[in-house]
Amino acid sequence: RKEVEQDPGPFNVPEGATVAFNCTYSNSASQSFFWYRQDCRKEPKLLMSVYSSGNEDGRFTAQLNRASQYISLLIRDSKLSDSATYLCVVNSRYNFNKFYFGSGTKLNVKP
Amino acid sequence: DTEVTQTPKHLVMGMTNKKSLKCEQHMGHRAMYWYKQKAKKPPELMFVYSYEKLSINESVPSRFSPECPNSSLLNLHLHALQPEDSALYLCASSQGTEAFFGQGTRLTVV
Repeated sequence: RKEVEQDPGPFNVPEGATVAFNCTYSNSASQSFFWYRQDCRKEPKLLMSVYSSGNEDGRFTAQLNRASQYISLLIRDSKLSDSATYLCVVNSRYNFNKFYFGSGTKLNVKP
Repeated sequence: DTEVTQTPKHLVMGMTNKKSLKCEQHMGHRAMYWYKQKAKKPPELMFVYSYEKLSINESVPSRFSPECPNSSLLNLHLHALQPEDSALYLCASSQGTEAFFGQGTRLTVV
């Protein structure tokens, strides 16, 4: 079983839509949780860290459910510029140097 | 400054060449990483250095040789690579929380 699993993509949505990505992790010792965004042929960039209480940054909301080992990312009012691959990333309290990546979910926002 | 700088941005090398990839960060991060990424796949961990010591080697072939000369620099020495080693090579650094990535070196082995 993979350490981190994400929704398969691609997600094709119109501008202005709300879209949600889900991610599950298998290791209950996981400590830190992140969403990264990666544009085509570019490096991954940190979008948000995910906190137990949930957190919001503008149109983006991240939630963590430790009991279900589940992380989500909600994007409201999608823009064309949101088109990218979104990577769910987790690391363990026993080896916080090692990051586990989901396979990524591709988002295409269309006019 | 959350910048990780990698050079070169692009590299084409023959299978008999020796080349090096370089990575630099000035954020005082104690962990530095090399990842390999193929198209439409997530980054795949190769090596982790923690406090300038190699702490994780993900069974990477010996034709890839990492080096950490000091806490700000990380190199990846390449020798006798195969065409299937063509990929985007990403360096990252971390202070135990999020990781910050460099722009990567796009490597083509011919």
